[in-house]
Amino acid sequence: ETGVTQTPRHLVMGMTNKKSLKCEQHLGHNAMYWYKQSAKKPLELMFVYNFKEQTENNSVPSRFSPECPNSSHLFLHLHTLQPEDSALYLCASSQDKNTEAFFGQGTRLTVV
Amino acid sequence: QQQVKQSPQSLIVQKGGIPIINCAYENTAFDYFPWYQQFPGKGPALLIAIRPDVSEKKEGRFTISFNKSAKQFSLHIMDSQPGDSATYFCAAWRSNTGKLIFGQGTTLQVKP
Repeated sequence: ETGVTQTPRHLVMGMTNKKSLKCEQHLGHNAMYWYKQSAKKPLELMFVYNFKEQTENNSVPSRFSPECPNSSHLFLHLHTLQPEDSALYLCASSQDKNTEAFFGQGTRLTVV
Repeated sequence: QQQVKQSPQSLIVQKGGIPIINCAYENTAFDYFPWYQQFPGKGPALLIAIRPDVSEKKEGRFTISFNKSAKQFSLHIMDSQPGDSATYFCAAWRSNTGKLIFGQGTTLQVKP
């Protein structure tokens, strides 16, 4: 275990559903990230939060909405997704933006 | 635009062999280069990392070679074992941005 916990591990949702992914880190880190991992593509950075403030939005569609209520928790709210959004969504954290990132095990999302 | 190019896409070696995975980057502002190892169903785990002021770094059986002028770096796995079978990702990071840019990944299979 890396100290970064993601729930749920698997999620199947319809295109009209609203769901949320949760990430929690017990490492005392101040930076948290969302990445998307699709088959045969590099991991794509989606969002960066540093001290609860969003510092990076990598041109992510608005159907993905992040929330960082405190330095230990990060959410990704999903609504009206498309089948091509099916992927493994990975959360990561680091002490700050200058140090190594530790990844959670990911949420396997399938949009039907 | 692929900022970090990784090759080969897949690699098969016999136990005891020395697989080599290569990466090239474009942006000279990158100043930290980690390698991640990912097993099926798990998130990427940091394996070893190097900064551009060092030409080589060894940790156990894993070695990074770095060529700053060529903007290339590679991972060597000495005395490879079946347990090393996984997907390996190189990455590049620009300090103070939190933006970790990944290569496309290399799936390594080590045959007994």
